[in-house]
Parts: sequence; structure tokens; C-alpha cells
Amino acid sequence: GEDVEQSLFLSVREGDSSVINCTYTDSSSTYLYWYKQEPGAGLQLLTYIFSNMDMKQDQRLTVLLNKKDKHLSLRIADTQTGDSAIYFCAENLRNYGGSQGNLIFGKGTKLSVKP
Amino acid sequence: DGGITQSPKYLFRKEGQNVTLSCEQNLNHDAMYWYRQDPGQGLRLIYYSQIVNDFQKGDIAEGYSVSREKKESFPLTVTSAQKNPTAFYLCASSIVLGHGGNADTQYFGPGTRLTVL
Repeated sequence: GEDVEQSLFLSVREGDSSVINCTYTDSSSTYLYWYKQEPGAGLQLLTYIFSNMDMKQDQRLTVLLNKKDKHLSLRIADTQTGDSAIYFCAENLRNYGGSQGNLIFGKGTKLSVKP
Repeated sequence: DGGITQSPKYLFRKEGQNVTLSCEQNLNHDAMYWYRQDPGQGLRLIYYSQIVNDFQKGDIAEGYSVSREKKESFPLTVTSAQKNPTAFYLCASSIVLGHGGNADTQYFGPGTRLTVL
């Protein structure tokens, strides 16, 4: 089946930029997502990018998409301690079916922000 | 105040018991989903439903059952056949499923943590 890969951990200092990377497998995916999960909570939709875009910026968040390499990244500028969480990348399968459903999630990157 | 609610937040079960987790949404979404989350495992799909009275098995459906009698509700039953049910369970919904567009975007509830004693 399809797979989404992310590194499991990232540690940064408060005020620095964080970059979380993701690779996906379905070249026909139309939307790619970033979700944030704080401890003990559900997933919160942070942002998404349509596959015909290279970049999307939303305040401190910048999403970059390289379709040729199937690489997605999330940059958080001026990272704060409140940004400490697990960040999930997900791709929307255009041709979904069966037991995978339509959204494939990575295993999540745990971001730790040190003061 | 629209959204997805899950109850209870914490649930304890004795071995051999069935338990039902509640998921309700007032977003008028057609599609609903159940995921299981274990540490370091990401999200795994249990069941999903595109529309009322219809549902499909996800990757790890064994030991679970669902119903979709109302658009707003998608309860999940964890049966005694589920060998290792202790986990965090997440419910989600989307406007539709399978159009390949923004309407497929999933929104999540706050989760239920199930512990088997």
C-alpha cells in the first residue's frame, strides 16, 4: 500500500525555525496535509496544500511541496514552546479503495522546543 | 458551536467485556472514520463510513464493530475478540469521501483513551 515517511523526532531552541520533512508515494495525490497533535488531544488541522502549488504561507507556517521528489515540508518560524507537539503529514489518495481509506498518515514527528 | 465530540474521554474495561465508544458530529458531514493510535505507530484506520447505513473495514477491523444509523453518529464497539484494545481512539469526519478534493479533508474529535484492566 501507499506509505508516508517522516522522521520521528526534532529538537530546536525557542526562537529558531523548525523544519519538518515528509515523503509520500502517490504522485496523483491532490491534497497534502499537516496536522498537529498536543499531548492527550485529537489531531488539529494546521494547513494543507493543493498539489498544483509549490508553496503556501500562513503566518509563521510555510509549506513547501516538491512534486518531482514527492517531498513535503513544514517550516515553523520563530518556534515557541507552545509549538511542542507531534506533527503528522498526510496525503489524500486520488484512487483510494479498500482498507486504506483515502488519507494516509505518516507516523508523526515529535517536535521538542527547548527554552 | 459545530464540531466532533467523543465520549467518554477515558474508559476502563475489564478483559472479556465489550465497550462502545461514542462519536457525534454536527458538521453535516457525510463521511466518518475511526482510527486507533498507539505510541510510535501513527494512526491506523479501523472502519470508515461514506454515508448512512454503509461502512467499510479499515486495515485493523478485526475485533471491532460499527454502525451508522444516523448521519451524526458513528459508534465504535470494541469487542472481547480484540486482543490488545488498550489504545487512544480517534474519530474523524469529512464532508464527503473520495472526491479527491478539499471536501475530503478530515477533522478530528478529541479522542477516547481506552485501558483494559
